[in-house]
Amino acid sequence: EAGVAQSPRYKIIEKRQSVAFWCNPISGHATLYWYQQILGQGPKLLIQFQNNGVVDDSQLPKDRFSAERLKGVDSTLKIQPAKLEDSAVYLCASSLQGNTDTQYFGPGTRLTVL
Amino acid sequence: AQKITQTQPGMFVQEKEAVTLDCTYDTSDPSYGLFWYKQPSSGEMIFLIYQGSYDQQNATEGRYSLNFQKARKSANLVISASQLGDSAMYFCAMRPILTGGGNKLTFGTGTQLKVEL
Repeated sequence: EAGVAQSPRYKIIEKRQSVAFWCNPISGHATLYWYQQILGQGPKLLIQFQNNGVVDDSQLPKDRFSAERLKGVDSTLKIQPAKLEDSAVYLCASSLQGNTDTQYFGPGTRLTVL
Repeated sequence: AQKITQTQPGMFVQEKEAVTLDCTYDTSDPSYGLFWYKQPSSGEMIFLIYQGSYDQQNATEGRYSLNFQKARKSANLVISASQLGDSAMYFCAMRPILTGGGNKLTFGTGTQLKVEL
């Protein structure tokens, strides 16, 4: 069974530029999560989708971050404009449903903002 | 609110020995799940083991076992017969078990494990 796919794996941009990350969850998984992991810390949830609806985006900086999951499968996370403090690894995870199922993570996208 | 505390920033263990990674948690939720993930230098978070707060027995998965002490709010990971490939960052995480979704994982700060020959 294929795991969670993410691209790109690495991205370097200058501050004030925009960037987008892509995630393809495990086939059949209804719930998709985006996490931000700053160096030396554990991942922090940015947004959770159940199919194509948002369940939790309370920690998403909505002035610059946006995410969508239009057809309930793939998802994109965008940052516009990027700040230095956005340098982090962005992890996508998926689970079969949301309540009790284990979350499986992709390899992440390492973003460096200069 | 939930909080996970991992007090060991780094641990060393010799190959073939057992090691315990500490995790304590705080929550007001009556029902919750506890997880351990492994993060190698490649960056991917690998699920290791799960313990439900209502489970009577401690969880085990191969060389991994979870020493769950509910009254002490601790969920320590025990790795038996350590291997060089076990060298990685280990994260403890928890989430409430609620109806209606929104069950986000809260992670600790991690423990860096180094297995030596």
